[in-house]
Amino acid sequence: KAGVTQTPRYLIKTRGQQVTLSCSPISGHRSVSWYQQTPGQGLQFLFEYFSETQRNKGNFPGRFSGRQFSNSRSEMNVSTLELGDSALYLCASSFSGGVEQFFGPGTRLTVL
Amino acid sequence: AQSVTQLDSQVPVFEEAPVELRCNYSSSVSVYLFWYVQYPNQGLQLLLKYLSGSTLVKGINGFEAEFNKSQTSFHLRKPSVHISDTAEYFCAVISSSNTGKLIFGQGTTLQVKP
Repeated sequence: KAGVTQTPRYLIKTRGQQVTLSCSPISGHRSVSWYQQTPGQGLQFLFEYFSETQRNKGNFPGRFSGRQFSNSRSEMNVSTLELGDSALYLCASSFSGGVEQFFGPGTRLTVL
Repeated sequence: AQSVTQLDSQVPVFEEAPVELRCNYSSSVSVYLFWYVQYPNQGLQLLLKYLSGSTLVKGINGFEAEFNKSQTSFHLRKPSVHISDTAEYFCAVISSSNTGKLIFGQGTTLQVKP
């Protein structure tokens, strides 16, 4: 069974731009969670989607948004990028309960 | 609210020696517990999990962990480490009433020396 895939793997953007990251979950998994990893703050939860609905949300500003499609693929969007948004963005999928999560390789975003 | 504390930021150890990575958690509700490993430039790989049942859980690559409810701990152990175990290790909890949201510790870097 294929694992979680994330595209692109690397991105370089400038301040003020927006970016969209994509995540394809393991086949059959319906829950997708997103996390931000930085050296200073560690791993922080952004949001979780299940059946195209946001089921859970972390403490991030409204510039961070996401969505999930009917095939369970998910995207996250960051608008008006700031230097502090430079991070590794990880998505994870789980079957339905959102408990046992399997992670993708991440997207490394650099904001200049 | 839940929180996770990994008591050591770095653990240096010689090859073939035993190792213990310590993790304590705080929660007012029941939780599920996990250990993940992250190799450089990669995502997180699930090492092992405690959902219910036996408090001693075994995972991949020879790792095991013991859930201690009274001490709110979930320490990770391996009797003999290899150079290839050099990586960052994360302890995480998820609430049984707030699934989808993993709360992570700050990570422990395991450095295995030859």
